[in-house]
Amino acid sequence: GIQVEQSPPDLILQEGANSTLRCNFSDSVNNLQWFHQNPWGQLINLFYIPSGTKQNGRLSATTVATERYSLLYISSSQTTDSGVYFCAVVGANNLFFGTGTRLTVIP
Amino acid sequence: ETGVTQTPRHLVMGMTNKKSLKCEQHLGHNAMYWYKQSAKKPLELMFVYNFKEQTENNSVPSRFSPECPNSSHLFLHLHTLQPEDSALYLCASSQDWVGYTFGSGTRLTVV
Repeated sequence: GIQVEQSPPDLILQEGANSTLRCNFSDSVNNLQWFHQNPWGQLINLFYIPSGTKQNGRLSATTVATERYSLLYISSSQTTDSGVYFCAVVGANNLFFGTGTRLTVIP
Repeated sequence: ETGVTQTPRHLVMGMTNKKSLKCEQHLGHNAMYWYKQSAKKPLELMFVYNFKEQTENNSVPSRFSPECPNSSHLFLHLHTLQPEDSALYLCASSQDWVGYTFGSGTRLTVV
């Protein structure tokens, strides 16, 4: 299957700081999605971004499909941003998830 | 509320019990999925249903048995589970792999 690697595995931020999360994938894809899993286990779809850049409030994402990576930007972080961020790509009738970046935002 | 509802939220069962997890989606999606999330491991796809037909079964032990009676409902029947099956079980739905939406999950503990 497609390998999906995320970095960093863990990230601790002071409230108000900015951060960049990275997702590398091993094969060409036409479907990449970013998710946030809150501390209670709920996974929320943040972006469907097979290529280009999208913005949603303080979050934005960029995928460079030809170079097989995607970036998730979080600006002016808040404590409610804490949780695990996953990227996932579609291939072979499966959605392959990375191992995630665990973000902790401290007040 | 995401439009995908899972019940129960928590389940504790003995190794000889039989129980079922339920998932319902109100989004009109054509595909539904069961995922398993264990500590320190990526989400593992267990089963995929497209238009009520099972299209994927990723080497899941037979003690897990899915059922999809219609495109809005998905069940996971459990019997004679092992302690290592304790995990968060997540249901999701999508329209052709887009708009992927997860339920809140069932946290299962096998004792």
